[in-house]
Amino acid sequence: NAGVTQTPKFQVLKTGQSMTLQCAQDMNHNSMYWYRQDPGMGLRLIYYSASEGTTDKGEVPNGYNVSRLNKREFSLRLESAAPSQTSVYFCASSAFFGTGPDTQYFGPGTRLTVL
Amino acid sequence: QKEVEQNSGPLSVPEGAIASLNCTYSDRVSQSFFWYRQYSGKSPELIMSIYSNGDKEDGRFTAQLNKASQYVSLLIRDSQPSDSATYLCAVTAGNTPLVFGKGTRLSVIA
Repeated sequence: NAGVTQTPKFQVLKTGQSMTLQCAQDMNHNSMYWYRQDPGMGLRLIYYSASEGTTDKGEVPNGYNVSRLNKREFSLRLESAAPSQTSVYFCASSAFFGTGPDTQYFGPGTRLTVL
Repeated sequence: QKEVEQNSGPLSVPEGAIASLNCTYSDRVSQSFFWYRQYSGKSPELIMSIYSNGDKEDGRFTAQLNKASQYVSLLIRDSQPSDSATYLCAVTAGNTPLVFGKGTRLSVIA
């Protein structure tokens, strides 16, 4: 049982390049999330998927797109990377969004640098 | 804009002392409250969750919730150097995504 896995662990991009961050969970969770964490800013929600087939914007969605590929996988795409997107990205999952006591479990993170 | 406020710290306590971490939130309809611990370079991990007013104890950790004052706290008894980390408070109304505070950095001095 690996929990939440993310690939890659590290990535360096040049401004304007695109890439996709991959996330998968094996806990049979319905809900998945993408966060970014910057020094002094805490965790900020980019997008989330309450259930398979749905996605919603979070606090900071600009410059990102997501795909809920199936129940297990939720990817985050940067179409044209900018230095402001340099950050640590965390994927998380939970059993049922919107039911109150719904614990989120986090992946190990991806450290992205955009030059 | 729903806000969760935490003192950024660092909060320094001697080994064996009680560490007290505080969090206030702005959304009065918040129902569920979580404390996550994050070691440097690692991902957040859940320590405690609390849903009703009062205290909830788990080992050396006690979460305290006061919905009238919109205040939630985490007490760590017999603090150990291994407790040195950033502690994140997170809040949700249930039908809305978690909102995280920016975290309090705790340093336990041996």
